[in-house]
Amino acid sequence: AQTVTQSQPEMSVQEAETVTLSCTYDTSESDYYLFWYKQPPSRQMILVIRQEAYKQQNATENRFSVNFQKAAKSFSLKISDSQLGDAAMYFCAYRSVVLGAQKLVFGQGTRLTINP
Amino acid sequence: DAGVIQSPRHEVTEMGQEVTLRCKPISGHNSLFWYRQTMMRGLELLIYFNNNVPIDDSGMPEDRFSAKMPNASFSTLKIQPSEPRDSAVYFCASSRGAGNQPQHFGDGTRLSIL
Repeated sequence: AQTVTQSQPEMSVQEAETVTLSCTYDTSESDYYLFWYKQPPSRQMILVIRQEAYKQQNATENRFSVNFQKAAKSFSLKISDSQLGDAAMYFCAYRSVVLGAQKLVFGQGTRLTINP
Repeated sequence: DAGVIQSPRHEVTEMGQEVTLRCKPISGHNSLFWYRQTMMRGLELLIYFNNNVPIDDSGMPEDRFSAKMPNASFSTLKIQPSEPRDSAVYFCASSRGAGNQPQHFGDGTRLSIL
């Protein structure tokens, strides 16, 4: 079974600075998808960014980008120019491509605080 | 477009009572997922449906939990009888097909069993 590990329970950053959240995963599959979700205090689960394992190019979405290292099974999220609205829990998630196994497997989350 | 709609948003009830959580997926999405979030176990899948058929229910904790999807636009998660350890936030999510299509989450139901 796949597992996802987020080793940083909490992180903090100064507003306008850059922060990187770590995620590692374990799988024997060669093709899969990885996601970062954001959960603000309102408890919504909001998709931040996604990466297909077969793509070598790292995904980017505005101020959010990932560093996907397939051999190392690492999928970190970089937030540039941090804003107060970025404060939230961030969850890394894995999704298999195998039919019938498409649930999301989540890490334990990293709580990100933005200091003004 | 309307997102995934869950009801109720909050539910407080006494142990032993039946609890029914409801979910309306996004129109056109054919996969529906129920997740539970607790401090101890984080986010974990309970069950998921594809084209209204349950595909993986290995996360359903015990016989007290049941889920149905009678049609493409509605699903329920029922707990009977409820216990205090069932207290959690329950999320419903839907996605279009398989592959890299992201799952869109509802706002969740915060369930408190006294």
